[in-house]
Amino acid sequence: KNEVEQSPQNLTAQEGEFITINCSYSVGISALHWLQQHPGGGIVSLFMLSSGKKKHGRLIATINIQEKHSSLHITASHPRDSAVYICAARPYGNKLVFGAGTILRVKS
Amino acid sequence: DSGVTQTPKHLITATGQRVTLRCSPRSGDLSVYWYQQSLDQGLQFLIQYYNGEERAKGNILERFSAQQFPDLHSELNLSSLELGDSALYFCASSVLGTPFSHPNTEAFFGQGTRLTVV
Repeated sequence: KNEVEQSPQNLTAQEGEFITINCSYSVGISALHWLQQHPGGGIVSLFMLSSGKKKHGRLIATINIQEKHSSLHITASHPRDSAVYICAARPYGNKLVFGAGTILRVKS
Repeated sequence: DSGVTQTPKHLITATGQRVTLRCSPRSGDLSVYWYQQSLDQGLQFLIQYYNGEERAKGNILERFSAQQFPDLHSELNLSSLELGDSALYFCASSVLGTPFSHPNTEAFFGQGTRLTVV
């Protein structure tokens, strides 16, 4: 079993829909990252969370440390949100443990 | 633009060869991390350097090595290349040696180098 599990693996949505991507982890962490990988391959760090909730534009990330679960929400989704979203957990140390990614496609 | 620069963007080479990937971190960032992303393995942490010294090691093969220079740029050397080494290699940088320990610390990723071994 992977230490970081994401769901769903693939997600297709219509423009304007509210999207949720989930991440569960089995290790103790000091922080969790949400990353966005564009079709060209480049990776952008969206959020770093150690507790609670963060919001940036139409993106919201939440984390529940007790339940070892994080969610990434996209409100009013748009085709330009189409990308791979990767959850990465940082156990107590210097390494990141990555989820397999969620492939999101938003259709207009 | 994350401020992290990786060169080259694409590299095609033959099995058995050696290549060097280069990473320039964001201005002021002391830590550089290398990651490999292959189709079947996802993103894997390879190695971290902080201010010129190796700080942490992940799943890095013995055929691979890295270093960080006094100007803080880093190079990842891949030798005796095999077909399975074909992957995207990412570099990321952050300010601190212990990443994310400060609430506002982020890691900034480069665009990656796509290595194809034929």
